[in-house]
Amino acid sequence: KNQVEQSPQSLIILEGKNCTLQCNYTVSPFSNLRWYKQDTGRGPVSLTIMTFSENTKSNGRYTATLDADTKQSSLHITASQLSDSASYICVVSDRGSTLGRLYFGRGTQLTVWP
Amino acid sequence: EADIYQTPRYLVIGTGKKITLECSQTMGHDKMYWYQQDPGMELHLIHYSYGVNSTEKGDLSSESTVSRIRTEHFPLTLESARPSHTSQYLCASSESGRSAGELFFGEGSRLTVL
Repeated sequence: KNQVEQSPQSLIILEGKNCTLQCNYTVSPFSNLRWYKQDTGRGPVSLTIMTFSENTKSNGRYTATLDADTKQSSLHITASQLSDSASYICVVSDRGSTLGRLYFGRGTQLTVWP
Repeated sequence: EADIYQTPRYLVIGTGKKITLECSQTMGHDKMYWYQQDPGMELHLIHYSYGVNSTEKGDLSSESTVSRIRTEHFPLTLESARPSHTSQYLCASSESGRSAGELFFGEGSRLTVL
C-alpha cells in the first residue's frame, strides 16, 4: 500500500534555532516529492520539488533532501523565524499512470516561539 | 501568489440546506481538484477535473457533486448538508501536460453544519 508518513507530528522550537522534519514513503514507482507549507487557515504552498535524481535542493532557509534508496526525505529549516510556524506537508507522486497520483502525509505542525 | 479563489471562506448552515462552494482560477489551468481536510489528517481527494465537461470522483467517497462548464470555474455542491460534512474544503489547480505538477491551492472554505 502506498503511504507517506511524517515525523514528528508536532514540534516546538525557539526562534533562531534549526529543525529537521522527516518524511518516509512507500510510494512506487516514484515520480517526485514535494514539500508544502500550510499556514493556519490558508491553503498549502509549494516549497520544493525533489525528483529521483536529486539529493538536495534549497529554497532560502529551507533545504530538502531525498534518499530514493531508503525512500526518505527531510526538510531542514535554518535560523527559524516566527513566520515559519505552520504545517509542513510531504506529498509524493507516483508515475504508475500518466495522471501522476498524489499521496499526502498528515503534516508536521511546527511552532516557533520567540 | 496563486490566482485561485474560493468563496465563501467560512460557512455555518443548518442540516438539510443546499450549499455551493465556489472556486475560480485565472491561470488557465486545465486540471482542477477538490480536497477535504480535517485537523491533523491528510488531504483527501474528493473530485477532480482535467478539462471542461470532464469530472471524476476522487479517492474519498463524497455526497457532493461538481461541474466544469468553464475552464476557470469548478464549483462544489452539497444538495443536503449534514453535520458529517463539517470540514475544510480546499480547491486546487495545476498545469496541464504534466503528470504531477505543482498544485496551487485556494485559501479554503471551512464548512460547519449544525
